[in-house]
Amino acid sequence: KNEVEQSPQNLTAQEGEFITINCSYSVGISALHWLQQHPGGGIVSLFMLSSGKKKHGRLIATINIQEKHSSLHITASHPRDSAVYICAVSELGSNYQLIWGAGTKLIIKP
Amino acid sequence: NAGVTQTPKFQVLKTGQSMTLQCAQDMNHEYMSWYRQDPGMGLRLIHYSVGAGITDQGEVPNGYNVSRSTTEDFPLRLLSAAPSQTSVYFCASSRRGSKVYEQYFGPGTRLTVT
Repeated sequence: KNEVEQSPQNLTAQEGEFITINCSYSVGISALHWLQQHPGGGIVSLFMLSSGKKKHGRLIATINIQEKHSSLHITASHPRDSAVYICAVSELGSNYQLIWGAGTKLIIKP
Repeated sequence: NAGVTQTPKFQVLKTGQSMTLQCAQDMNHEYMSWYRQDPGMGLRLIHYSVGAGITDQGEVPNGYNVSRSTTEDFPLRLLSAAPSQTSVYFCASSRRGSKVYEQYFGPGTRLTVT
Protein backbone atom coordinates (compact mmCIF):
# COMPACT_ATOMS: atom_id res chain seq x y z
CA LYS A 1 0.00 0.00 0.00
CA ASN A 2 1.35 3.42 -0.94
CA GLU A 3 2.06 5.77 1.92
CA VAL A 4 0.39 8.67 0.05
CA GLU A 5 -2.77 7.99 -1.90
CA GLN A 6 -4.69 10.43 -4.04
CA SER A 7 -8.22 10.23 -5.38
CA PRO A 8 -9.51 10.40 -7.94
CA GLN A 9 -6.74 9.45 -10.37
CA ASN A 10 -8.55 11.26 -13.18
CA LEU A 11 -11.22 13.94 -13.04
CA THR A 12 -13.07 15.64 -15.89
CA ALA A 13 -15.43 18.50 -15.12
CA GLN A 14 -17.18 21.41 -16.80
CA GLU A 15 -15.96 24.97 -16.48
CA GLY A 16 -17.35 26.61 -13.35
CA GLU A 17 -17.67 23.43 -11.30
CA PHE A 18 -16.31 23.11 -7.76
CA ILE A 19 -13.44 20.62 -7.74
CA THR A 20 -12.18 18.49 -4.86
CA ILE A 21 -9.06 16.33 -4.94
CA ASN A 22 -8.27 14.16 -1.94
CA CYS A 23 -5.02 12.96 -0.39
CA SER A 24 -4.65 10.40 2.38
CA TYR A 25 -1.38 9.41 4.01
CA SER A 26 -0.32 6.76 6.48
CA VAL A 27 2.84 8.22 8.05
CA GLY A 28 3.43 10.92 10.62
CA ILE A 29 4.16 14.17 8.86
CA SER A 30 5.64 17.58 9.53
CA ALA A 31 4.00 19.11 6.44
CA LEU A 32 1.89 18.30 3.40
CA HIS A 33 2.51 19.81 -0.02
CA TRP A 34 0.21 20.36 -2.97
CA LEU A 35 1.91 20.91 -6.33
CA GLN A 36 0.69 21.54 -9.87
CA GLN A 37 2.12 20.28 -13.15
CA HIS A 38 0.75 21.50 -16.48
CA PRO A 39 1.03 19.18 -19.51
CA GLY A 40 4.65 19.08 -20.64
CA GLY A 41 5.50 21.58 -17.94
CA GLY A 42 7.43 21.96 -14.78
CA ILE A 43 6.23 21.41 -11.22
CA VAL A 44 5.09 24.33 -9.12
CA SER A 45 4.41 24.33 -5.40
CA LEU A 46 0.87 25.54 -4.60
CA PHE A 47 0.63 25.03 -0.85
CA MET A 48 2.60 23.72 2.07
CA LEU A 49 0.53 23.19 5.21
CA SER A 50 0.76 21.44 8.55
CA SER A 51 -2.65 22.38 9.99
CA GLY A 52 -5.93 24.03 9.13
CA LYS A 53 -6.56 25.68 5.83
CA LYS A 54 -4.81 27.88 3.29
CA LYS A 55 -6.31 29.86 0.42
CA HIS A 56 -4.73 31.36 -2.67
CA GLY A 57 -7.09 32.86 -5.18
CA ARG A 58 -9.56 30.15 -6.23
CA LEU A 59 -7.53 27.37 -4.62
CA ILE A 60 -8.12 26.17 -1.07
CA ALA A 61 -6.17 23.46 0.74
CA THR A 62 -7.27 21.87 3.99
CA ILE A 63 -5.68 19.28 6.22
CA ASN A 64 -6.96 17.11 9.07
CA ILE A 65 -3.93 15.79 10.93
CA GLN A 66 -5.95 13.41 13.14
CA GLU A 67 -7.57 11.77 10.10
CA LYS A 68 -4.37 11.98 7.99
CA HIS A 69 -6.27 13.53 5.14
CA SER A 70 -6.01 16.63 3.00
CA SER A 71 -8.18 18.12 0.28
CA LEU A 72 -7.47 20.56 -2.51
CA HIS A 73 -10.48 22.53 -3.70
CA ILE A 74 -10.79 24.68 -6.81
CA THR A 75 -13.73 27.07 -6.95
CA ALA A 76 -15.17 28.35 -10.25
CA SER A 77 -12.90 26.01 -12.24
CA HIS A 78 -11.48 27.19 -15.55
CA PRO A 79 -9.87 25.31 -18.47
CA ARG A 80 -6.49 26.78 -17.47
CA ASP A 81 -6.79 24.78 -14.22
CA SER A 82 -6.33 21.61 -16.30
CA ALA A 83 -3.18 20.01 -14.92
CA VAL A 84 -1.89 17.19 -12.76
CA TYR A 85 -2.20 17.96 -9.05
CA ILE A 86 0.27 16.16 -6.84
CA CYS A 87 0.17 15.62 -3.10
CA ALA A 88 3.40 14.96 -1.22
CA VAL A 89 4.28 14.75 2.47
CA SER A 90 7.36 15.56 4.50
CA GLU A 91 7.64 12.65 6.92
CA LEU A 92 8.40 13.46 10.56
CA GLY A 93 12.15 13.55 11.05
CA SER A 94 12.89 14.26 7.39
CA ASN A 95 12.19 17.91 6.69
CA TYR A 96 13.34 17.97 3.08
CA GLN A 97 12.66 14.53 1.58
CA LEU A 98 9.15 14.02 0.27
CA ILE A 99 6.89 11.00 -0.14
CA TRP A 100 4.89 11.46 -3.32
CA GLY A 101 1.38 10.62 -4.39
CA ALA A 102 0.80 9.49 -7.97
CA GLY A 103 -1.10 12.65 -8.93
CA THR A 104 -4.62 13.51 -10.06
CA LYS A 105 -5.11 14.48 -13.69
CA LEU A 106 -7.75 17.21 -13.93
CA ILE A 107 -9.37 18.28 -17.18
CA ILE A 108 -11.75 21.23 -17.20
CA LYS A 109 -13.90 21.44 -20.32
CA PRO A 110 -15.15 24.83 -21.55
CA ASN B 1 16.93 35.32 -9.80
CA ALA B 2 16.58 32.40 -12.24
CA GLY B 3 15.51 29.82 -9.62
CA VAL B 4 16.34 26.26 -10.65
CA THR B 5 17.65 25.77 -14.18
CA GLN B 6 18.17 22.49 -16.04
CA THR B 7 19.90 21.71 -19.31
CA PRO B 8 19.26 20.26 -21.77
CA LYS B 9 15.46 20.36 -22.12
CA PHE B 10 15.43 17.37 -24.46
CA GLN B 11 17.99 14.65 -25.17
CA VAL B 12 18.08 11.47 -27.22
CA LEU B 13 20.77 8.92 -26.42
CA LYS B 14 21.70 5.56 -27.82
CA THR B 15 22.00 2.61 -25.46
CA GLY B 16 25.41 2.60 -23.82
CA GLN B 17 26.12 6.31 -24.24
CA SER B 18 26.86 8.47 -21.23
CA MET B 19 25.82 12.02 -20.54
CA THR B 20 25.40 14.60 -17.79
CA LEU B 21 22.20 16.43 -16.97
CA GLN B 22 22.96 19.84 -15.54
CA CYS B 23 21.13 21.49 -12.65
CA ALA B 24 21.88 24.84 -11.05
CA GLN B 25 20.12 27.05 -8.50
CA ASP B 26 20.83 30.63 -7.46
CA MET B 27 18.86 30.68 -4.19
CA ASN B 28 21.71 29.43 -1.97
CA HIS B 29 19.68 26.33 -1.10
CA GLU B 30 21.45 23.63 0.83
CA TYR B 31 19.23 20.75 -0.28
CA MET B 32 19.14 19.60 -3.90
CA SER B 33 17.68 16.46 -5.40
CA TRP B 34 17.06 14.62 -8.65
CA TYR B 35 13.79 12.86 -9.47
CA ARG B 36 12.56 10.86 -12.38
CA GLN B 37 8.94 10.92 -13.46
CA ASP B 38 7.45 8.02 -15.39
CA PRO B 39 3.86 7.74 -16.70
CA GLY B 40 1.39 6.61 -14.04
CA MET B 41 3.94 6.77 -11.24
CA GLY B 42 4.78 9.36 -8.65
CA LEU B 43 8.10 11.14 -8.66
CA ARG B 44 10.93 8.86 -7.58
CA LEU B 45 14.02 10.17 -5.85
CA ILE B 46 17.31 9.25 -7.54
CA HIS B 47 19.97 11.06 -5.50
CA TYR B 48 20.03 14.00 -3.15
CA SER B 49 22.50 16.33 -1.46
CA VAL B 50 22.25 18.27 1.81
CA GLY B 51 25.22 20.49 1.03
CA ALA B 52 28.42 20.85 -0.96
CA GLY B 53 30.46 17.67 -0.77
CA ILE B 54 27.60 15.57 0.62
CA THR B 55 25.45 13.28 -1.51
CA ASP B 56 23.33 10.23 -0.83
CA GLN B 57 21.22 7.71 -2.69
CA GLY B 58 17.47 7.90 -3.04
CA GLU B 59 14.95 5.27 -4.06
CA VAL B 60 16.27 4.51 -7.57
CA PRO B 61 20.03 5.32 -7.72
CA ASN B 62 21.28 2.51 -9.97
CA GLY B 63 22.82 3.72 -13.22
CA TYR B 64 23.24 7.30 -12.01
CA ASN B 65 26.03 9.24 -10.32
CA VAL B 66 26.03 12.68 -8.74
CA SER B 67 28.49 15.10 -7.23
CA ARG B 68 28.08 18.41 -5.40
CA SER B 69 31.25 20.46 -5.59
CA THR B 70 29.45 23.79 -5.11
CA THR B 71 26.22 24.89 -3.44
CA GLU B 72 24.84 26.01 -6.81
CA ASP B 73 25.39 22.96 -9.04
CA PHE B 74 24.19 19.37 -8.81
CA PRO B 75 24.84 17.44 -12.05
CA LEU B 76 23.39 13.99 -12.69
CA ARG B 77 25.50 11.57 -14.73
CA LEU B 78 24.14 8.62 -16.65
CA LEU B 79 27.00 6.17 -16.85
CA SER B 80 25.77 3.83 -19.62
CA ALA B 81 22.29 4.76 -20.81
CA ALA B 82 19.62 2.08 -21.00
CA PRO B 83 16.08 2.24 -22.47
CA SER B 84 14.72 1.88 -18.91
CA GLN B 85 16.18 5.32 -18.20
CA THR B 86 13.81 6.95 -20.69
CA SER B 87 11.98 9.39 -18.46
CA VAL B 88 11.51 13.01 -17.51
CA TYR B 89 14.09 14.17 -14.99
CA PHE B 90 13.47 16.97 -12.52
CA CYS B 91 15.95 18.73 -10.29
CA ALA B 92 14.67 20.40 -7.12
CA SER B 93 16.10 22.51 -4.33
CA SER B 94 15.04 23.85 -0.97
CA ARG B 95 16.39 25.43 2.15
CA ARG B 96 17.36 23.02 4.86
CA GLY B 97 16.76 23.57 8.51
CA SER B 98 14.74 22.62 11.54
CA LYS B 99 11.45 23.12 9.75
CA VAL B 100 10.01 22.18 6.36
CA TYR B 101 10.62 24.52 3.46
CA GLU B 102 9.01 24.77 0.03
CA GLN B 103 10.73 22.87 -2.78
CA TYR B 104 11.51 24.57 -6.08
CA PHE B 105 11.68 22.58 -9.29
CA GLY B 106 13.52 23.01 -12.54
CA PRO B 107 11.66 22.77 -15.87
CA GLY B 108 12.68 19.16 -16.46
CA THR B 109 14.78 17.24 -18.99
CA ARG B 110 12.97 14.81 -21.27
CA LEU B 111 15.37 11.94 -22.02
CA THR B 112 14.81 9.21 -24.58
CA VAL B 113 17.18 6.25 -24.79
CA THR B 114 16.93 4.17 -27.97
